[in-house]
Amino acid sequence: NAGVTQTPKFRILKIGQSMTLQCTQDMNHNYMYWYRQDPGMGLKLIYYSVGAGITDKGEVPNGYNVSRSTTEDFPLRLELAAPSQTSVYFCASSHGELNQPQHFGDGTRLSIL
Amino acid sequence: AQSVTQLGSHVSVSEGALVLLRCNYSSSVPPYLFWYVQYPNQGLQLLLKYTSAATLVKGINGFEAEFKKSETSFHLTKPSAHMSDAAEYFCAVRITGGGNKLTFGTGTQLKVEL
Repeated sequence: NAGVTQTPKFRILKIGQSMTLQCTQDMNHNYMYWYRQDPGMGLKLIYYSVGAGITDKGEVPNGYNVSRSTTEDFPLRLELAAPSQTSVYFCASSHGELNQPQHFGDGTRLSIL
Repeated sequence: AQSVTQLGSHVSVSEGALVLLRCNYSSSVPPYLFWYVQYPNQGLQLLLKYTSAATLVKGINGFEAEFKKSETSFHLTKPSAHMSDAAEYFCAVRITGGGNKLTFGTGTQLKVEL
């Protein structure tokens, strides 16, 4: 009963390094999302995808890239890590219907020093 | 554009007391509204959702919320708080347009005291 799985759970990066945050879901959801959560700010949408091969920017896309080659996987890439990208990152997925909720992973806690 | 506002970033109640967490929405179309709970070091879990079928929505763990169009509110309540309810709670509204995106409130941290 995995749901949405994110790896790694924790990571420390140096400024300028790159990394990929992995997200996979086993619910056959077409829609997937990446958020970042900062204290007192709620969740901000970075990128989203409505199906394999289709991605679009959210509210805060700068400094990030995504791809969606399969229905299950939606990786988030940081190319040149900056201290402002220190955050907790959540991946979510949902069915396409408006009344369906998003299902969240447990997050990746990323620190950039 | 759709948005939600959560009044009170921190709420403290005694165990057994009423829990009331406030959420007001802004939407030019009939909204789809959600409440999520986040326990420490975990992701968000759905508590309940409003999708126009009934104005009083019952969720998990004894929580419920009432949709009031005249007040543009969707407040979350629980008659009797339990220590295990201590968590952060987020209200969210579906954004119209592609992707079924959500916009979230800034969250309310609930503390339950003995």
